[in-house]
Amino acid sequence: RKEVEQDPGPFNVPEGATVAFNCTYSNSASQSFFWYRQDCRKEPKLLMSVYSSGNEDGRFTAQLNRASQYISLLIRDSKLSDSATYLCVVILTDSWGKLQFGAGTQVVVTP
Amino acid sequence: GAVVSQHPSRVICKSGTSVKIECRSLDFQATTMFWYRQFPKQSLMLMATSNEGSKATYEQGVEKDKFLINHASLTLSTLTVTSAHPEDSSFYICSARVERGAREQYFGPGTRLTVT
Repeated sequence: RKEVEQDPGPFNVPEGATVAFNCTYSNSASQSFFWYRQDCRKEPKLLMSVYSSGNEDGRFTAQLNRASQYISLLIRDSKLSDSATYLCVVILTDSWGKLQFGAGTQVVVTP
Repeated sequence: GAVVSQHPSRVICKSGTSVKIECRSLDFQATTMFWYRQFPKQSLMLMATSNEGSKATYEQGVEKDKFLINHASLTLSTLTVTSAHPEDSSFYICSARVERGAREQYFGPGTRLTVT
């Protein structure tokens, strides 16, 4: 079983619509959670950290559910520029800061 | 913000040759650098963790004699793929962390290696 699992998509979203997707993690010792964004053939870039109480950054909202071991990302008012692959990233408590990546969820925003 | 560079961005080499990839932190000192590999439509897989001045720690299944990592200074780490084969063709990305307790890592732009 993979440490971090994501629905690969693609999620085809009309411009202006809302899209949400989850990521599940298998290790209950996971301590830190992030969403990264990766454009085609580019390096991942940090989108936002995910905090226990949930957090929002503009049109992006992240939630953490420790009981069910998943995190979610919601994008409101989707823009064409939001088209990308969104990577779920987890750090284990004792992993010396090693990031565990999900394979990513592809989002395609259409005009 | 923190900037990490990689060189080269793209390299094509013949099977059996060695390739060196450089990762530099441009505006900060990185105590730890990480090397990842990503195959198409797959997640980034950590290959090794490199601390300045010490030997790299390799993940299970990664051959340390094939993937040589040197972290000689706080701003430079190198990955050398020795005796490259076509199956080593991949996207290699480094990341750097400013300090031990820091959660965030800054990624280089990646190096696309093609072995013919």
